[in-house]
Amino acid sequence: GAVVSQHPSRVICKSGTSVKIECRSLDFQATTMFWYRQFPKQSLMLMATSNEGSKATYEQGVEKDKFLINHASLTLSTLTVTSAHPEDSSFYICSARESGSTYEQYFGPGTRLTVT
Amino acid sequence: AQSVSQHNHHVILSEAASLELGCNYSYGGTVNLFWYVQYPGQHLQLLLKYFSGDPLVKGIKGFEAEFIKSKFSFNLRKPSVQWSDTAEYFCAVQVNAGNMLTFGGGTRLMVKP
Repeated sequence: GAVVSQHPSRVICKSGTSVKIECRSLDFQATTMFWYRQFPKQSLMLMATSNEGSKATYEQGVEKDKFLINHASLTLSTLTVTSAHPEDSSFYICSARESGSTYEQYFGPGTRLTVT
Repeated sequence: AQSVSQHNHHVILSEAASLELGCNYSYGGTVNLFWYVQYPGQHLQLLLKYFSGDPLVKGIKGFEAEFIKSKFSFNLRKPSVQWSDTAEYFCAVQVNAGNMLTFGGGTRLMVKP
Protein backbone atom coordinates (compact mmCIF):
# COMPACT_ATOMS: atom_id res chain seq x y z
CA GLY A 1 0.00 0.00 0.00
CA ALA A 2 0.83 3.72 0.11
CA VAL A 3 2.11 4.11 -3.40
CA VAL A 4 2.78 7.48 -4.97
CA SER A 5 3.34 7.84 -8.68
CA GLN A 6 4.69 10.70 -10.75
CA HIS A 7 4.24 11.39 -14.40
CA PRO A 8 6.25 11.85 -16.48
CA SER A 9 9.38 10.24 -15.12
CA ARG A 10 11.54 12.20 -17.52
CA VAL A 11 10.82 15.24 -19.64
CA ILE A 12 12.89 17.37 -21.93
CA CYS A 13 11.52 20.72 -22.97
CA LYS A 14 12.71 23.84 -24.72
CA SER A 15 13.46 27.02 -22.90
CA GLY A 16 10.37 29.21 -22.58
CA THR A 17 7.84 26.39 -22.61
CA SER A 18 5.80 25.09 -19.68
CA VAL A 19 5.86 21.61 -18.23
CA LYS A 20 3.29 19.93 -16.01
CA ILE A 21 4.25 17.19 -13.57
CA GLU A 22 1.61 15.02 -11.92
CA CYS A 23 1.77 13.43 -8.51
CA ARG A 24 -0.81 10.79 -7.64
CA SER A 25 -1.51 8.81 -4.52
CA LEU A 26 -2.65 5.48 -5.92
CA ASP A 27 -4.18 3.66 -2.99
CA PHE A 28 -4.88 6.33 -0.41
CA GLN A 29 -6.24 9.82 -0.12
CA ALA A 30 -3.78 12.60 0.49
CA THR A 31 -4.96 15.87 1.97
CA THR A 32 -1.43 17.19 1.82
CA MET A 33 1.27 16.71 -0.75
CA PHE A 34 4.76 18.15 -0.76
CA TRP A 35 6.94 19.13 -3.68
CA TYR A 36 10.71 18.86 -3.38
CA ARG A 37 13.56 19.66 -5.68
CA GLN A 38 16.81 17.76 -5.73
CA PHE A 39 19.89 19.02 -7.53
CA PRO A 40 22.58 16.54 -8.56
CA LYS A 41 24.45 15.16 -5.58
CA GLN A 42 22.48 17.37 -3.23
CA SER A 43 19.69 16.89 -0.77
CA LEU A 44 15.99 17.46 -1.19
CA MET A 45 14.77 20.98 -0.73
CA LEU A 46 11.13 21.61 -0.01
CA MET A 47 9.53 23.89 -2.58
CA ALA A 48 5.93 23.99 -1.45
CA THR A 49 3.21 22.30 0.53
CA SER A 50 0.07 21.53 -1.39
CA ASN A 51 -3.26 21.20 0.41
CA GLU A 52 -6.33 19.85 -1.32
CA GLY A 53 -8.79 22.58 -2.12
CA SER A 54 -6.64 25.49 -1.03
CA LYS A 55 -3.66 27.48 -2.19
CA ALA A 56 -0.23 25.98 -1.86
CA THR A 57 2.24 27.30 0.67
CA TYR A 58 5.59 28.13 -0.90
CA GLU A 59 8.95 28.11 0.81
CA GLN A 60 11.03 31.24 0.88
CA GLY A 61 12.76 31.87 -2.41
CA VAL A 62 10.40 29.75 -4.50
CA GLU A 63 8.50 31.78 -7.08
CA LYS A 64 4.84 30.86 -6.88
CA ASP A 65 4.12 32.32 -10.30
CA LYS A 66 6.79 30.18 -11.86
CA PHE A 67 5.99 26.95 -10.07
CA LEU A 68 2.22 26.63 -10.18
CA ILE A 69 0.75 24.02 -7.91
CA ASN A 70 -2.78 22.67 -8.10
CA HIS A 71 -4.23 20.11 -5.70
CA ALA A 72 -7.74 19.71 -7.01
CA SER A 73 -8.46 16.26 -5.64
CA LEU A 74 -7.42 14.03 -2.78
CA THR A 75 -5.30 11.89 -5.07
CA LEU A 76 -3.72 14.36 -7.47
CA SER A 77 -1.42 17.34 -7.23
CA THR A 78 0.24 18.97 -10.20
CA LEU A 79 3.33 21.14 -10.48
CA THR A 80 3.62 23.30 -13.58
CA VAL A 81 6.97 24.87 -14.34
CA THR A 82 6.12 27.91 -16.42
CA SER A 83 8.45 29.53 -18.90
CA ALA A 84 11.12 27.00 -18.09
CA HIS A 85 14.79 27.92 -18.26
CA PRO A 86 17.88 25.70 -18.18
CA GLU A 87 18.45 26.53 -14.51
CA ASP A 88 15.09 24.87 -13.77
CA SER A 89 16.58 21.55 -14.85
CA SER A 90 16.42 19.35 -11.80
CA PHE A 91 14.84 16.31 -10.19
CA TYR A 92 11.38 17.09 -8.83
CA ILE A 93 10.00 14.77 -6.18
CA CYS A 94 6.58 14.77 -4.57
CA SER A 95 5.43 13.15 -1.39
CA ALA A 96 1.98 12.57 -0.01
CA ARG A 97 0.64 12.33 3.49
CA GLU A 98 -2.37 10.12 3.98
CA SER A 99 -5.50 11.92 5.17
CA GLY A 100 -5.89 11.39 8.88
CA SER A 101 -2.22 10.53 9.31
CA THR A 102 0.03 13.12 10.86
CA TYR A 103 3.51 11.90 10.36
CA GLU A 104 4.60 9.68 7.55
CA GLN A 105 5.04 10.83 3.98
CA TYR A 106 5.28 8.54 0.99
CA PHE A 107 7.53 9.61 -1.82
CA GLY A 108 7.05 9.41 -5.54
CA PRO A 109 9.81 8.21 -7.87
CA GLY A 110 10.61 11.71 -9.08
CA THR A 111 10.58 13.51 -12.40
CA ARG A 112 13.77 14.52 -14.11
CA LEU A 113 13.28 17.78 -15.99
CA THR A 114 15.82 18.91 -18.55
CA VAL A 115 15.37 22.30 -20.14
CA THR A 116 17.37 22.88 -23.31
CA ALA B 1 14.25 27.31 11.58
CA GLN B 2 15.41 23.78 12.03
CA SER B 3 18.39 22.36 10.18
CA VAL B 4 19.87 18.91 9.75
CA SER B 5 23.54 18.04 9.36
CA GLN B 6 24.99 14.85 8.04
CA HIS B 7 28.71 15.10 8.53
CA ASN B 8 29.74 12.13 6.42
CA HIS B 9 29.23 13.00 2.77
CA HIS B 10 30.86 9.88 1.37
CA VAL B 11 31.54 6.62 3.13
CA ILE B 12 33.27 3.60 1.63
CA LEU B 13 33.17 0.31 3.47
CA SER B 14 33.95 -3.30 2.77
CA GLU B 15 31.25 -5.90 3.14
CA ALA B 16 30.67 -7.05 6.72
CA ALA B 17 32.04 -3.82 8.14
CA SER B 18 29.96 -1.94 10.67
CA LEU B 19 28.26 1.29 9.71
CA GLU B 20 27.42 4.42 11.61
CA LEU B 21 26.16 7.53 9.84
CA GLY B 22 25.89 10.70 11.83
CA CYS B 23 22.86 12.98 11.91
CA ASN B 24 22.50 16.07 14.05
CA TYR B 25 19.68 18.53 14.04
CA SER B 26 19.12 21.96 15.46
CA TYR B 27 15.77 22.55 17.10
CA GLY B 28 14.98 22.88 20.76
CA GLY B 29 11.52 21.39 20.79
CA THR B 30 9.88 18.09 20.04
CA VAL B 31 10.82 16.48 16.76
CA ASN B 32 10.04 13.43 14.71
CA LEU B 33 13.09 11.87 13.08
CA PHE B 34 13.46 9.80 9.96
CA TRP B 35 16.08 8.01 7.93
CA TYR B 36 15.43 7.47 4.24
CA VAL B 37 17.44 5.50 1.70
CA GLN B 38 17.67 6.17 -2.02
CA TYR B 39 19.08 3.30 -4.03
CA PRO B 40 20.60 4.15 -7.41
CA GLY B 41 17.86 5.09 -9.82
CA GLN B 42 15.10 4.58 -7.29
CA HIS B 43 12.92 6.78 -5.14
CA LEU B 44 13.21 7.51 -1.47
CA GLN B 45 12.24 4.73 0.88
CA LEU B 46 11.70 4.98 4.61
CA LEU B 47 14.24 3.02 6.63
CA LEU B 48 13.03 3.89 10.07
CA LYS B 49 11.41 6.62 12.12
CA TYR B 50 11.28 7.90 15.67
CA PHE B 51 8.27 9.64 17.15
CA SER B 52 8.48 8.91 20.87
CA GLY B 53 9.23 6.13 23.34
CA ASP B 54 12.26 3.87 23.11
CA PRO B 55 15.08 5.98 21.69
CA LEU B 56 16.58 2.94 19.99
CA VAL B 57 14.59 2.37 16.84
CA LYS B 58 14.86 -0.66 14.61
CA GLY B 59 14.09 -0.38 10.94
CA ILE B 60 14.11 -2.50 7.84
CA LYS B 61 17.07 -4.40 6.44
CA GLY B 62 18.87 -4.61 9.78
CA PHE B 63 19.24 -0.87 10.29
CA GLU B 64 18.73 0.85 13.59
CA ALA B 65 19.08 4.37 14.91
CA GLU B 66 19.43 5.88 18.35
CA PHE B 67 17.89 9.18 19.34
CA ILE B 68 20.06 11.01 21.87
CA LYS B 69 18.12 14.08 22.86
CA SER B 70 20.95 15.70 24.78
CA LYS B 71 23.15 15.53 21.71
CA PHE B 72 20.44 16.38 19.19
CA SER B 73 21.53 13.30 17.30
CA PHE B 74 19.89 10.43 15.48
CA ASN B 75 22.71 8.28 14.15
CA LEU B 76 22.04 5.37 11.84
CA ARG B 77 23.79 2.05 12.43
CA LYS B 78 24.11 -1.38 10.91
CA PRO B 79 26.40 -4.03 12.39
CA SER B 80 27.36 -5.64 9.08
CA VAL B 81 26.81 -3.96 5.73
CA GLN B 82 26.21 -5.69 2.43
CA TRP B 83 27.03 -4.68 -1.11
CA SER B 84 23.30 -4.10 -1.64
CA ASP B 85 23.38 -1.34 0.97
CA THR B 86 25.17 0.89 -1.52
CA ALA B 87 22.89 3.91 -1.69
CA GLU B 88 22.41 7.44 -0.49
CA TYR B 89 21.05 7.91 2.99
CA PHE B 90 19.11 10.94 4.15
CA CYS B 91 18.26 11.98 7.66
CA ALA B 92 15.15 14.14 8.05
CA VAL B 93 13.48 16.08 10.82
CA GLN B 94 9.83 16.96 11.21
CA VAL B 95 9.09 19.72 13.70
CA ASN B 96 5.33 19.85 13.82
CA ALA B 97 3.17 16.80 13.42
CA GLY B 98 2.25 16.43 9.80
CA ASN B 99 4.50 19.23 8.72
CA MET B 100 7.11 19.17 6.05
CA LEU B 101 10.41 17.34 6.37
CA THR B 102 13.77 19.06 6.53
CA PHE B 103 16.44 16.87 5.02
CA GLY B 104 20.13 16.61 5.71
CA GLY B 105 22.61 16.78 2.88
CA GLY B 106 22.75 13.03 2.45
CA THR B 107 25.53 10.47 2.79
CA ARG B 108 26.64 8.36 -0.13
CA LEU B 109 27.57 4.89 1.01
CA MET B 110 29.55 2.59 -1.19
CA VAL B 111 30.05 -0.97 -0.05
CA LYS B 112 32.83 -2.84 -1.77
CA PRO B 113 32.23 -6.54 -2.32
